[in-house]
Amino acid sequence: GAVVSQHPSWVICKSGTSVKIECRSLDFQATTMFWYRQFPKQSLMLMATSNEGSKATYEQGVEKDKFLINHASLTLSTLTVTSAHPEDSSFYICSADVSAYNEQFFGPGTRLTVL
Amino acid sequence: AQKVTQAQTEISVVEKEDVTLDCVYETRDTTYYLFWYKQPPSGELVFLIRRNSFDEQNEISGRYSWNFQKSTSSFNFTITASQVVDSAVYFCALNAGYSSASKIIFGSGTRLSIRP
Repeated sequence: GAVVSQHPSWVICKSGTSVKIECRSLDFQATTMFWYRQFPKQSLMLMATSNEGSKATYEQGVEKDKFLINHASLTLSTLTVTSAHPEDSSFYICSADVSAYNEQFFGPGTRLTVL
Repeated sequence: AQKVTQAQTEISVVEKEDVTLDCVYETRDTTYYLFWYKQPPSGELVFLIRRNSFDEQNEISGRYSWNFQKSTSSFNFTITASQVVDSAVYFCALNAGYSSASKIIFGSGTRLSIRP
């Protein structure tokens, strides 16, 4: 099946700094990628839908100026958490749409801890 | 509105017992996909099954089985002869619109603990 990677797998940063998380499709091209956030002991909540070459579509309540998404190529989408604060500490998971299979494949996730 | 409800927050059973995880969904779409995912402590989602709205046949895969009933909007998951390795959080999910480019809506998850 299709493989999606995320980098880094975990990151610790100081409050006020920005963190970039990468989501790559390794053996296929993905026009559409999704970013989810999961707080401890909670479910996955969709943050935004990222389409290659266009602006991301954010879910209600997600600050687009704080969570910058760039999908500049068919194999890479990035999520930048700007001016991170402790409440942004979470598990961030991306998924990529493989239209040929009509399926989404999930990355392994990135655990962000903001001190 | 689209919604997935997993009423069981936590379940704990002794090894070798059978256990059923419940899932009820809501959607106005006539075409959709339903999923089950397993999330072990590592956090990585493990895909278990995808079922489309036109296929109500029950499915069995080893110790796992799924019962899809459109009449009650349910998609329940049963583990037979549970093992300690089955301990994880299980998510039921819905992808309405019959396209993988549509968003997936997750239930709140059921934390399953299998005691030796």
